[in-house]
Amino acid sequence: DAMVIQNPRYQVTQFGKPVTLSCSQTLNHNVMYWYQQKSSQAPKLLFHYYDKDFNNEADTPDNFQSRRPNTSFCFLDIRSPGLGDAAMYLCATSRSLLAQSAYNEQFFGPGTRLTVL
Amino acid sequence: DAKTTQPNSMESNEEEPVHLPCNHSTISGTDYIHWYRQLPSQGPEYVIHGLTSNVNNRMASLAIAEDRKSSTLILHRATLRDAAVYYCIPQTGANNLFFGTGTRLTVIP
Repeated sequence: DAMVIQNPRYQVTQFGKPVTLSCSQTLNHNVMYWYQQKSSQAPKLLFHYYDKDFNNEADTPDNFQSRRPNTSFCFLDIRSPGLGDAAMYLCATSRSLLAQSAYNEQFFGPGTRLTVL
Repeated sequence: DAKTTQPNSMESNEEEPVHLPCNHSTISGTDYIHWYRQLPSQGPEYVIHGLTSNVNNRMASLAIAEDRKSSTLILHRATLRDAAVYYCIPQTGANNLFFGTGTRLTVIP
């Protein structure tokens, strides 16, 4: 019963070559999030969508963009990957955007590990 | 966002209870306390959350101090599958998770 699916699980790209990571969900949740997790560090929120409304974290580099064409899919685009962008990228969903909601549990996918050569 | 302090690592013997502490002395009155864990090579998963009262679910219990400046996640019987990094995350307003350094739990067979 896959709920949050990330493809591919492993992605290799070249320095400066645009890359797109994908996430899909079968939960019909309103909110989708992208996190970056570098080696031995905690996940760091990049941005989220509430339906079609996009919210970028203040310190997310401009190099990172996102698209959400429909409820089920969300994409992370890295326009010009640098060596420092090598990381695990985690997609998550939740029904609610409010921390105090009973439906605020976030469901994470398995992640895509990005290698930049 | 409230700052959290957790031990870097803890060990537990299998089948024994584990108490994972978290200090969040700057928490605001409306911050919920969320716990997530991340098993090796997996995305994080929700464990439990609460506001003021102690909370129980099938995975764990959450004990929240009366002054709300600290909380303790309790795993009643640790199994090998519970070996993970445990994150304590105060949240208010938007449901965005700002992960701290967490506690790496090792379960000894």
